[in-house]
Amino acid sequence: GEDVEQSLFLSVREGDSSVINCTYTDSSSTYLYWYKQEPGAGLQLLTYIFSNMDMKQDQRLTVLLNKKDKHLSLRIADTQTGDSAIYFCAELSGGGATNKLIFGTGTLLAVQP
Amino acid sequence: DTEVTQTPKHLVMGMTNKKSLKCEQHMGHRAMYWYKQKAKKPPELMFVYSYEKLSINESVPSRFSPECPNSSLLNLHLHALQPEDSALYLCASSQGRGPTFGTGNTIYFGEGSWLTVV
Repeated sequence: GEDVEQSLFLSVREGDSSVINCTYTDSSSTYLYWYKQEPGAGLQLLTYIFSNMDMKQDQRLTVLLNKKDKHLSLRIADTQTGDSAIYFCAELSGGGATNKLIFGTGTLLAVQP
Repeated sequence: DTEVTQTPKHLVMGMTNKKSLKCEQHMGHRAMYWYKQKAKKPPELMFVYSYEKLSINESVPSRFSPECPNSSLLNLHLHALQPEDSALYLCASSQGRGPTFGTGNTIYFGEGSWLTVV
């Protein structure tokens, strides 16, 4: 199937690290992405990782990729209240002309002051 | 500039109305997309245009009719919609659609158009 799974909810305290997990389905996915969606807003691209990498760091964000287990995670260091949002992972699936982005179910991150 | 602009931001329409959602990007991207997102759900792909030709139609009802007048614009024409079509409609674009290195496959989204069908 095309289900990309995420846990529904994560609550952390301000200043702590957050880890959001994602399990995807297509082992041939070339790119994997993390998007952030704030209430009432569109999707903001946070970061992406190419499938031949196992880690990517971008300021407070660290993406880990385990291709064997088809597991992707996003770590946010020093989480702030402004990080409260829904986080979607997405895999680029298909290939060539049939490439399409398959989104995960989304994780609501709540940051407590 | 990684901006995808959608208008209108909010639209309320009756079931017998005809309206359109518009999307514009000036990044030189050659692939454009429409997604539909219901509350608390992930976006679902509706249509993909690649080089101004429809390349994917995810079995969307004919009351939704996409149009790509040129490489920068993508419209979604709406006619005889149902209340269950009320959702956030997201437009997106990317440089290409084949596997490439770098940001070639990165898909950028607009802020969305909130549609309410009454």
